Amino acid sequence: GAVVSQHPSWVICKSGTSVKIECRSLDFQATTMFWYRQFPKQSLMLMATSNEGSKATYEQGVEKDKFLINHASLTLSTLTVTSAHPEDSSFYICSAGDRGYEQYFGPGTRLTVT
Amino acid sequence: EDKVVQSPLSLVVHEGDTVTLNCSYEVTNFRSLLWYKQEKKAPTFLFMLTSSGIEKKSGRLSSILDKKELFSILNITATQTGDSAVYLCAVGSSGGGADGLTFGKGTHLIIQP
Repeated sequence: GAVVSQHPSWVICKSGTSVKIECRSLDFQATTMFWYRQFPKQSLMLMATSNEGSKATYEQGVEKDKFLINHASLTLSTLTVTSAHPEDSSFYICSAGDRGYEQYFGPGTRLTVT
Repeated sequence: EDKVVQSPLSLVVHEGDTVTLNCSYEVTNFRSLLWYKQEKKAPTFLFMLTSSGIEKKSGRLSSILDKKELFSILNITATQTGDSAVYLCAVGSSGGGADGLTFGKGTHLIIQP
């Protein structure tokens, strides 16, 4: 099956700093990737759709200036959390699909902002 | 606004029992319904359903979709402790191009030995 990786798997940063999370499709090309956020004991919430070569599409309530998404190639999308605050602490998961509707998830990145 | 509701929210059964997890949805432009299993990290894909009445099966797991009544069920027979996880139901809708999924809150399944 399709493999999606994320880096880093875990990051701790200080309030006010920025953090970049990478999402890579390892064995297929993905023109579209998705970024989700999951708070403890809650389900995944779609944050944005990352489109290769164009601007990301953000879900309602997600600040595009705070969560910068770049989809530089068909195998790489990055999410940068700018000026992170403790309330941004969460589990961030990306996904990509290679066969129509199926989506394959990366292992996730746990962000802790102190 | 798309909505996915799963029930029950949590379920505790004994090893060997059969469980049925429910997922109902309200979406515009339905495209697919997907089931995922989430243990400690990211969800792993189980099934994708697009057509009504066609059962998908993988080992002890099976799932079916009813597009008229807008729901799906996930069955697990002869449960094992390794089946303990959160089972997520998600729906994809077509808004032009690929779309992200709308997830339900999940069913937390615990299998006791």
